Amino acid sequence: NAGVTQTPKFQVLKTGQSMTLQCAQDMNHNSMYWYRQDPGMGLRLIYYSASEGTTDKGEVPNGYNVSRLNKREFSLRLESAAPSQTSVYFCACLGAGELFFGEGSRLTVL
Amino acid sequence: RKEVEQDPGPFNVPEGATVAFNCTYSNSASQSFFWYRQDCRKEPKLLMSVYSSGNEDGRFTAQLNRASQYISLLIRDSKLSDSATYLCVAQAAGNKLTFGGGTRVLVKP
Repeated sequence: NAGVTQTPKFQVLKTGQSMTLQCAQDMNHNSMYWYRQDPGMGLRLIYYSASEGTTDKGEVPNGYNVSRLNKREFSLRLESAAPSQTSVYFCACLGAGELFFGEGSRLTVL
Repeated sequence: RKEVEQDPGPFNVPEGATVAFNCTYSNSASQSFFWYRQDCRKEPKLLMSVYSSGNEDGRFTAQLNRASQYISLLIRDSKLSDSATYLCVAQAAGNKLTFGGGTRVLVKP
């Protein structure tokens, strides 16, 4: 029972490159989330998916796209990475009033 | 204005002392509230939910003031291990969960 698994854990990109962050949960929860966290700041909501088949924008969706592939998987795509997207990205799922997080993905855009 | 705001601190607290801090929210339709703890940029972990009547979990007490739109967290008899960043979270309709910027607490001997 892994909970929430994010891949990759570390990634370095050049400006303009694209990549997808993968997230999978084995907890059978409906709602999933992508947050980013910059140094000295809290978590900012990028996109969320209240249930399979739905996605909604959060506070900072620009520059990102998401796919809720099925109940288990929620991916985050950067189509053309920018240095401002250098951050730690957390995926989470919501169950019984509690958010369960992955360990985070550290992305650096040069 | 951010939806959820916190004093970033740090709150420097002597070991054994009491510390309290607030979190304000702007969406009056927010339904539920939580406090999370985060250590050294690791993933946040749930500390406690916040109920309208106030609730206590050991040395931690959380309260909700809907009229003034804030929640609070009080830590009694602070331990060195309480040093962390405390994040408040507001849950709105559709399971949208918004975090505050976090309050850093440093407990010193």
